[in-house]
Amino acid sequence: NAGVTQTPKFQVLKTGQSMTLQCAQDMNHEYMSWYRQDPGMGLRLIHYSVGAGITDQGEVPNGYNVSRSTTEDFPLRLLSAAPSQTSVYFCASRLLGQRKNTEAFFGQGTRLTVV
Amino acid sequence: AQKVTQAQTEISVVEKEDVTLDCVYETRDTTYYLFWYKQPPSGELVFLIRRNSFDEQNEISGRYSWNFQKSTSSFNFTITASQVVDSAVYFCALSEHGSSNTGKLIFGQGTTLQVKP
Repeated sequence: NAGVTQTPKFQVLKTGQSMTLQCAQDMNHEYMSWYRQDPGMGLRLIHYSVGAGITDQGEVPNGYNVSRSTTEDFPLRLLSAAPSQTSVYFCASRLLGQRKNTEAFFGQGTRLTVV
Repeated sequence: AQKVTQAQTEISVVEKEDVTLDCVYETRDTTYYLFWYKQPPSGELVFLIRRNSFDEQNEISGRYSWNFQKSTSSFNFTITASQVVDSAVYFCALSEHGSSNTGKLIFGQGTTLQVKP
């Protein structure tokens, strides 16, 4: 019962470094997404995908790239980390259906600090 | 565009008090889903409830109850006889289910509930 797996759980980056946050789900969900959580701002959508080869921007996409080569994986890339990207990141997936969409299942989160 | 507003940033109550967390949403779709999630101090996001736009029945689950009113675009959450373990951040979320059905889930800012013993 792996569900949504995010790695790493913690990361410290220097300004200008790049890195990839990994997200994998084993529930065959079409929809996957990345959120960032900042104090007082709730969960803000960065990017999302409704299937392999399809991605779209959310509310705060600048500074982040995504790709969806398989149904299972949805990595989030920080091309050149900035202190403003210090945040907690969550990956989520959900099943989309013609009649019913499920709730979103979340990973455990990644706490990223950019110094 | 879809939007969720949780106007209460922080609420503090004493154990055994009842507390209501407000959620107001905006959407142009006639078909949509509303959700509540709980985030305890340990940080994970715990799913509490899903409600679709065609089901306006209120729901009760133990000490939790939800009041969905389309007329006021609200989906409020009440905890009866609160306990210290209810202390958490609570998020309301909205997902439109129109013709595109992107599955995009938009969250409110969250309400931090502190229940004091």
